[in-house]
Amino acid sequence: GAVVSQHPSRVICKSGTSVKIECRSLDFQATTMFWYRQFPKQSLMLMATSNEGSKATYEQGVEKDKFLINHASLTLSTLTVTSAHPEDSSFYICSAGSGQHGGELFFGEGSRLTVL
Amino acid sequence: GNSVTQMEGPVTLSEEAFLTINCTYTATGYPSLFWYVQYPGEGLQLLLKATKADDKGSNKGFEATYRKETTSFHLEKGSVQVSDSAVYFCALSDPPGNQFYFGTGTSLTVIP
Repeated sequence: GAVVSQHPSRVICKSGTSVKIECRSLDFQATTMFWYRQFPKQSLMLMATSNEGSKATYEQGVEKDKFLINHASLTLSTLTVTSAHPEDSSFYICSAGSGQHGGELFFGEGSRLTVL
Repeated sequence: GNSVTQMEGPVTLSEEAFLTINCTYTATGYPSLFWYVQYPGEGLQLLLKATKADDKGSNKGFEATYRKETTSFHLEKGSVQVSDSAVYFCALSDPPGNQFYFGTGTSLTVIP
């Protein structure tokens, strides 16, 4: 199957700083990538759909100025948590579909963000 | 609209017990159906999938059959192992390759 890589896997930052998380499709081109947030013992919450070369589509209730998404190329999407606060601490997961695997979605390893 | 309803957890089983995790769905079109597994501290991995009615997805001893008449995709395993302890997510993609819809996840703990 296709591979999606996410980096960093863990990050700890101070309140007020910004953190960037990268999501790369390693062996396929992804015109669309998805960013999810997962709270402890809860399901995945879709935050936004990242579209290559255009603005991301955010889900209702997600602050676009807080969670900046950039999809600069067909293999890279980034999520920047701006002015992070402790309540932003969470597990962030990206995913992408290759369009060639029966609609399967491939997930990154996830990034654990802890804001002190 | 599209949605996935998944059996509530957590589920605790003894090793070698039979596992069933129920999943039903609603979809406006003809979706593809998936089971993903998440081990502690990791991202999601595809466990199995089915893309059309009566298809059976299988992997690592797990099975699920796409039942269009009952709009279900229940996950089963005949004999669970401790290493199967994880959170299992049922999901659909409608149309295939489009946005995914996830169930709430079912936490499984297998005890020796």
